[in-house]
Amino acid sequence: DGGITQSPKYLFRKEGQNVTLSCEQNLNHDAMYWYRQDPGQGLRLIYYSQIVNDFQKGDIAEGYSVSREKKESFPLTVTSAQKNPTAFYLCASSYTGGDGAFFGQGTRLTVV
Amino acid sequence: GQQLNQSPQSMFIQEGEDVSMNCTSSSIFNTWLWYKQDPGEGPVLLIALYKAGELTSNGRLTAQFGITRKDSFLNISASIPSDVGIYFCAGQKGDSNYQLIWGAGTKLIIKP
Repeated sequence: DGGITQSPKYLFRKEGQNVTLSCEQNLNHDAMYWYRQDPGQGLRLIYYSQIVNDFQKGDIAEGYSVSREKKESFPLTVTSAQKNPTAFYLCASSYTGGDGAFFGQGTRLTVV
Repeated sequence: GQQLNQSPQSMFIQEGEDVSMNCTSSSIFNTWLWYKQDPGEGPVLLIALYKAGELTSNGRLTAQFGITRKDSFLNISASIPSDVGIYFCAGQKGDSNYQLIWGAGTKLIIKP
């Protein structure tokens, strides 16, 4: 079955550590996105990529980094520079022609 | 970053009632999308709209693409308990940047 897989579902890290969230899709989508969602809030765009080896900053990119070495994969690293990293992180993918985005199940990151 | 104006922020309704929510923007969009998010999960695409004036149904859900291309609404008829969740609208301008612009969400709560 085609879809987007985020792992892990829950992640705990100590303050000051970098952590990498995985996102893999087998939908053959060109574009991939990372969003952050805080309790009771909408979705805020962190980074997006429309083709391999290229990505753009979204609205809240500070303290995050990404790579897009393969079409299927778009990992997000939450660095120690991110001041408030505890949140629900959502990965999505889409065709660059539109038709909306399809989401993974999310990773809930808690930094203690 | 830009956000759509989505209202209401939350709704408390009785089972069986009809529900209506909408999104407005000062910008024109080529695509309007409606998503539903269950707690702890990623949003799921409900309805996609591609033409001004378009009215599309998905079971008990009906959505319309406003004639000005600056708004959209979603109706849910005869609500049931599994309709509970957060509903998001998203717009896509369709230029070379295929980012989605998001509303803040409408939380639907069904009173027992």
